[in-house]
Amino acid sequence: AQKITQTQPGMFVQEKEAVTLDCTYDTSDPSYGLFWYKQPSSGEMIFLIYQGSYDQQNATEGRYSLNFQKARKSANLVISASQLGDSAMYFCAMREGDTGRRALTFGSGTRLQVQP
Amino acid sequence: DSGVTQTPKHLITATGQRVTLRCSPRSGDLSVYWYQQSLDQGLQFLIQYYNGEERAKGNILERFSAQQFPDLHSELNLSSLELGDSALYFCASSVVRDLHTEAFFGQGTRLTVV
Repeated sequence: AQKITQTQPGMFVQEKEAVTLDCTYDTSDPSYGLFWYKQPSSGEMIFLIYQGSYDQQNATEGRYSLNFQKARKSANLVISASQLGDSAMYFCAMREGDTGRRALTFGSGTRLQVQP
Repeated sequence: DSGVTQTPKHLITATGQRVTLRCSPRSGDLSVYWYQQSLDQGLQFLIQYYNGEERAKGNILERFSAQQFPDLHSELNLSSLELGDSALYFCASSVVRDLHTEAFFGQGTRLTVV
């Protein structure tokens, strides 16, 4: 079974609008962390935001926020006030366990295109 | 700049050949991970090293091997290369501290097998 599912292969958004990128996950471990990474066309992977399974509040980092719904096992990324530079691939990832020792498992990604 | 250095950035080689990809982790990071990103398989975890020892294996082929040296740099060796091995190979490093430990990625090595 897929541990991380991103059901939107591609998304379009108008500049300055908000966009939500979906991510659902599957784990039986009570301790886990959820991460979002951005991959621009240049190829590098850029860490955006983190949410821990025990965190009571949704994570926010500037224009990025994570809509964490634990019961639904979803961790959607919300980008507010989209900019042309936000056009990229976005990956949701999960680390299971209560330490940082395990590798991240990635979803298949969503390609976001911001239109002027 | 993530602080993780991968060399070379691009590599073109023929089928059947062997190549070595190199990764220098961020200063202080003991854990190194290798990932393969291909169009059809997405980002696949290959192998993890922690302080010189193999810690976990993912979808790594037997033709592939890796090691982490005492200075913590790591090498990924790919042998008997096939066309399907063409991909972007990432190295990532992290401090093993707690669950909130993001992995910092290098720029990747783009391997093209012809």
